[in-house]
Amino acid sequence: DAKTTQPPSMDCAEGRAANLPCNHSTISGNEYVYWYRQIHSQGPQYIIHGLKNNETNEMASLIITEDRKSSTLILPHATLRDTAVYYCIVREHGSGNTGKLIFGQGTTLQVKP
Amino acid sequence: DAGVTQSPTHLIKTRGQQVTLRCSPKSGHDTVSWYQQALGQGPQFIFQYYEEEERQRGNFPDRFSGHQFPNYSSELNVNALLLGDSALYLCASSPGISRPYEQYFGPGTRLTVT
Repeated sequence: DAKTTQPPSMDCAEGRAANLPCNHSTISGNEYVYWYRQIHSQGPQYIIHGLKNNETNEMASLIITEDRKSSTLILPHATLRDTAVYYCIVREHGSGNTGKLIFGQGTTLQVKP
Repeated sequence: DAGVTQSPTHLIKTRGQQVTLRCSPKSGHDTVSWYQQALGQGPQFIFQYYEEEERQRGNFPDRFSGHQFPNYSSELNVNALLLGDSALYLCASSPGISRPYEQYFGPGTRLTVT
């Protein structure tokens, strides 16, 4: 499984875009990038995932570089409620996979007023 | 639409005791995974159930066991509790093997072993 590297912490001003980077330089062709977040005292929350094309949903956008070695999760207008630990996870799709998520230390995003 | 529910929310047990935690998946989901989250750490995968069978297991001893019922709900059992088993236990459900990593987590059960 590809290893991911994220900064331990980031700050963002309320109302501004939060850009959370993730490095996954050893990613292989069949591995997807998943993002989850965990707000204090709650279970993790699925945000978005992608393979190579940029993806957008109601929560966030995911930008994956052309070489797929890194990605950025973008929260377009961060609010105080977006303060959480954000996890970037790389997992392979295919036969035999069973959905085991491997969480690292993540990035603690602090949104400030 | 009810999300993933877990019970109880908090539990205090003594070393050596046994505990059972319960999880009801999100409607329409047939796969349930369990994770352990120690304070200050990311969740660690315990095991996953699909079609009432354990499909994969993480690096946890046999003291940790589980079960999935025909209605897809699940139980996590831990025997011979140790102080180190104190953690938040999270249940996650997913909508099937076509979307295995799109998991929806419950609020967790906080287990304290004294």
